[in-house]
Amino acid sequence: GQQLNQSPQSMFIQEGEDVSMNCTSSSIFNTWLWYKQDPGEGPVLLIALYKAGELTSNGRLTAQFGTTRKDSFLNISASIPSDVGIYFCAGLTDSWGKLQFGAGTQVVVTP
Amino acid sequence: DADVTQTPRNRITKTGKRIMLECSQTKGHDRMYWYRQDPGLGLRLIYYSFDVKDINKGEISDGYSVSRQAQAKFSLSLESAIPNQTALYFCATRGDSSYEQYFGPGTRLTVT
Repeated sequence: GQQLNQSPQSMFIQEGEDVSMNCTSSSIFNTWLWYKQDPGEGPVLLIALYKAGELTSNGRLTAQFGTTRKDSFLNISASIPSDVGIYFCAGLTDSWGKLQFGAGTQVVVTP
Repeated sequence: DADVTQTPRNRITKTGKRIMLECSQTKGHDRMYWYRQDPGLGLRLIYYSFDVKDINKGEISDGYSVSRQAQAKFSLSLESAIPNQTALYFCATRGDSSYEQYFGPGTRLTVT
């Protein structure tokens, strides 16, 4: 089956720093989605990417759809305490809309 | 009010018991999904449904069953719960015009 690797597994950063994480796959995806999960809550959609090479921003978040269509990147600029959570990438596996999720990147922001 | 709701939010049950987790949505979406989340494993698809007459198995359907009672309701059942089904369970919905899925708040299930 398809393998989707997300890294890093966790990050401990100081408030104000930038954060970068990525997902890579052994297979091509046509859509990449990035989600954030707060403790005790369900994942919330942050950014959707539909085209290879696409760069999309949502406030301090910027995500890119890799040109090979096998990877995607998420950057958070000038982190703040509420950025704490687990960030998941998800790739669209087929036309039925099934998603393959990465294992998540846990972000901890210290003052 | 939340667009996707799940009940119960927390449940502790014993091995061998039957349990049902419920999901309701007000988004008007036809497509609904059930996922399981385990630490370090991300979310894995259990079942999905594209309308009330369409049910499909996902990656890890063994030990689970579902019922799509209406467009807005999709239930997940564990016929005979076992301890390794202890996990967070999430329901999600999707509209026809995009692949973006929207998640409920989750149910934390513990099987003792």
